Amino acid sequence: DTAVSQTPKYLVTQMGNDKSIKCEQNLGHDTMYWYKQDSKKFLKIMFSYNNKELIINETVPNRFSPKSPDKAHLNLHINSLELGDSAVYFCASSQGVGGPYEQYFGPGTRLTVT
Amino acid sequence: AQKITQTQPGMFVQEKEAVTLDCTYDTSDPSYGLFWYKQPSSGEMIFLIYQGSYDQQNATEGRYSLNFQKARKSANLVISASQLGDSAMYFCAMGEIHTGANSKLTFGKGITLSVRP
Repeated sequence: DTAVSQTPKYLVTQMGNDKSIKCEQNLGHDTMYWYKQDSKKFLKIMFSYNNKELIINETVPNRFSPKSPDKAHLNLHINSLELGDSAVYFCASSQGVGGPYEQYFGPGTRLTVT
Repeated sequence: AQKITQTQPGMFVQEKEAVTLDCTYDTSDPSYGLFWYKQPSSGEMIFLIYQGSYDQQNATEGRYSLNFQKARKSANLVISASQLGDSAMYFCAMGEIHTGANSKLTFGKGITLSVRP
């Protein structure tokens, strides 16, 4: 059973398009995250949600809009894609309260904007 | 603000030998946690080991151990009996300890480890 899954694994699109990445976790965790890993492999937090509530928004452009329909799902929608958005996007989940707890990562979505 | 520093260039180790990957951190929080993750060439992020700032003993998980020196603000990962499958990028990370749910992880830039047969 996959603990944290993301779709799609690869996403190639043109500048200006809108795209979404979906994430689901079956670990029963309360908190989910989106991280961005750039071409130099640097990982940075973008958002976190706890029980569908936005907790962290790390000065991400408002073209990025996370949505959490329930605590097992956290999707990322990106409007008006730019070349600089090309990266690997990781979804992660962890227990929510107390922490910090280890975060379990999805397989990543490699986004390429041309 | 929290900061993680991993300054080693690419590391090489002979199979079956031990290797230490360095990590230093900086934080003003009295309570925090330190993590190591492995990222093989396939790209997934694999949790390896965790050390809480108040833990009295160094954490161990199989062949992984964390050499935690709080006064020096270092949290080095020791891999014993290296295997070819240990070749990967290794990330040190720090998380805050809160009663709330905003336990984000701050990552270092990573260290590449290559295990030689």
